[in-house]
Amino acid sequence: GAVVSQHPSRVICKSGTSVKIECRSLDFQATTMFWYRQFPKQSLMLMATSNEGSKATYEQGVEKDKFLINHASLTLSTLTVTSAHPEDSSFYICSARANSGHRGYTFGSGTRLTVV
Amino acid sequence: ILNVEQSPQSLHVQEGDSTNFTCSFPSSNFYALHWYRWETAKSPEALFVMTLNGDEKKKGRISATLNTKEGYSYLYIKGSQPEDSATYLCAPNTGGFKTIFGAGTRLFVKA
Repeated sequence: GAVVSQHPSRVICKSGTSVKIECRSLDFQATTMFWYRQFPKQSLMLMATSNEGSKATYEQGVEKDKFLINHASLTLSTLTVTSAHPEDSSFYICSARANSGHRGYTFGSGTRLTVV
Repeated sequence: ILNVEQSPQSLHVQEGDSTNFTCSFPSSNFYALHWYRWETAKSPEALFVMTLNGDEKKKGRISATLNTKEGYSYLYIKGSQPEDSATYLCAPNTGGFKTIFGAGTRLFVKA
């Protein structure tokens, strides 16, 4: 079945530094990748949608200069949290939709970011 | 904005009990509804994708129904087992590829 590999699974960084999170589709081409963030005891909140080779579409309230998304190939999308601050500490997870027309989505395993 | 509500928020049951959860969503512009099972430290696992009003899907002891006219879906687990303990997420979408998630129902099954 379709697999999305997400790295790192856990990262601790200092305030002011940038962190890059990668999601790779291992056995299918992910034309669209979704990036979610989960606050404690809340649902997965969609941050942005990226399509291979084009600019990401950000949801209302999500700073595109803060959360840089790159989807340069059909198998790799990255989310970079720039100049991270403690309030950026959260759980980030990606989800991919294959270009086969299947309606299901495959998730990465998530990244727990802690900014100290 | 698509408003998705799941209830209950959490549920504690004994092994062998049968249980069910509810997902409510706006019925207009419905396209598909996804159910996911999410265990701690793992990726959400797709359970069902449902598209038609009246759809019923079954996977082992887990089944789901869909009512698109009134905007709800039920997920049933028959004879709960400790390994069923997880968060169950529903996620409807209204066409296009954007999926909005409910907050989930966290199930705890005690042996």
